[in-house]
Amino acid sequence: EAQVTQNPRYLITVTGKKLTVTCSQNMNHEYMSWYRQDPGLGLRQIYYSMNVEVTDKGDVPEGYKVSRKEKRNFPLILESPSPNQTSLYFCASSIQGGGYGYTFGSGTRLTVV
Amino acid sequence: AQSVTQPDIHITVSEGASLELRCNYSYGATPYLFWYVQSPGQGLQLLLKYFSGDTLVQGIKGFEAEFKRSQSSFNLRKPSVHWSDAAEYFCAVGDLANAGGTSYGKLTFGQGTILTVHP
Repeated sequence: EAQVTQNPRYLITVTGKKLTVTCSQNMNHEYMSWYRQDPGLGLRQIYYSMNVEVTDKGDVPEGYKVSRKEKRNFPLILESPSPNQTSLYFCASSIQGGGYGYTFGSGTRLTVV
Repeated sequence: AQSVTQPDIHITVSEGASLELRCNYSYGATPYLFWYVQSPGQGLQLLLKYFSGDTLVQGIKGFEAEFKRSQSSFNLRKPSVHWSDAAEYFCAVGDLANAGGTSYGKLTFGQGTILTVHP
């Protein structure tokens, strides 16, 4: 089944403790992206990647890192999480680019205390 | 920069009633437009998309949307709402520009509209 898989689905962590949210897609898509969803703000793009080793900032990149060492994987790294990064995170992939629409994962609900 | 506005934060309709969710966009060229739905606790599912051609687009679950360039709108409609349609709906505009790689790959979302369906 074609899908974007994120792990974990739920995560509670403490301020400052580094964490990684994994994302993998099995559709051989070139483009991948991370979004965060907050009430009243919709989804905002954090980072996106156009291909292996090619990444760029979205609208809200501060406090996040990404890497794209393999085509199928696009992990999101929070080096020093803070409570304002408590959010619902979505990974997405696209064969032609986000402008053509994304396929989304099921989301990761992160709570930073 | 592109943007999307969904004027209605929350809409309540009765089951069987018709539905229209509003979406206005700002984009410098012909936009690629999308509607996604998010059921509680779920990810986002694509309902329909507009790239070009016929301005009335049919999607899944009986939804349709109409692109009106003169009004910069892409409203979502359904003639008869079912209780299972209760969800949050997001309009989005795709950016196809590639100005030094700074905007390619960008899909910009509106704030979302929560739909409640009364029996």
